[in-house]
Amino acid sequence: GIQVEQSPPDLILQEGANSTLRCNFSDSVNNLQWFHQNPWGQLINLFYIPSGTKQNGRLSATTVATERYSLLYISSSQTTDSGVYFCAVERIQGAQKLVFGQGTRLTINP
Amino acid sequence: EAGVTQFPSHSVIEKGQTVTLRCDPISGHDNLYWYRRVMGKEIKFLLHFVKESKQDESGMPNNRFLAERTGGTYSTLKVQPAELEDSGVYFCASSQDRGGLLETQYFGPGTRLLVL
Repeated sequence: GIQVEQSPPDLILQEGANSTLRCNFSDSVNNLQWFHQNPWGQLINLFYIPSGTKQNGRLSATTVATERYSLLYISSSQTTDSGVYFCAVERIQGAQKLVFGQGTRLTINP
Repeated sequence: EAGVTQFPSHSVIEKGQTVTLRCDPISGHDNLYWYRRVMGKEIKFLLHFVKESKQDESGMPNNRFLAERTGGTYSTLKVQPAELEDSGVYFCASSQDRGGLLETQYFGPGTRLLVL
């Protein structure tokens, strides 16, 4: 099956710093989503981005489908950005199910 | 518009007991999915309903797990009998289907299951 690898596994930053999270996938996809799992365990949708670039406030994401990777950018980090960020993909011509990476744990210190 | 809701939010049971989890998808979403994250591992797909039909149940771990979606609305996931390794967070998600085009999957808050 398709493999999804996220890097780095852990990231610790000071408030105000910028960060880049990466998601590599091993096959062509027609769905890619980024999620933030907050301290209460809820999965919050950030982006639906099978290709191209999107921005939402301090967050933006870029997926280069031909090179099989996606990047999530967080600018001017705040302590509330802490948590685990997941990338999940749905393979082209595969079953309609998301395959998740193992996540990047982001810690923003005040 | 209400999001995906799940009940209960937490459940603590003893090994050998039965637990039933419920998911109410976003109104009008024909697709309903169950996923789970067991301790220390990644989130994994369990199964997918299209309306009341099981489209894909390849992720169901064994026959102790039974999912239903009567009438194509809410879904239940029953674990009987529960084992220690079933502990984790069970997520439900739903999405629309527009002429075969894929849509964003929206996740519920999850049910935290602890089997003692």
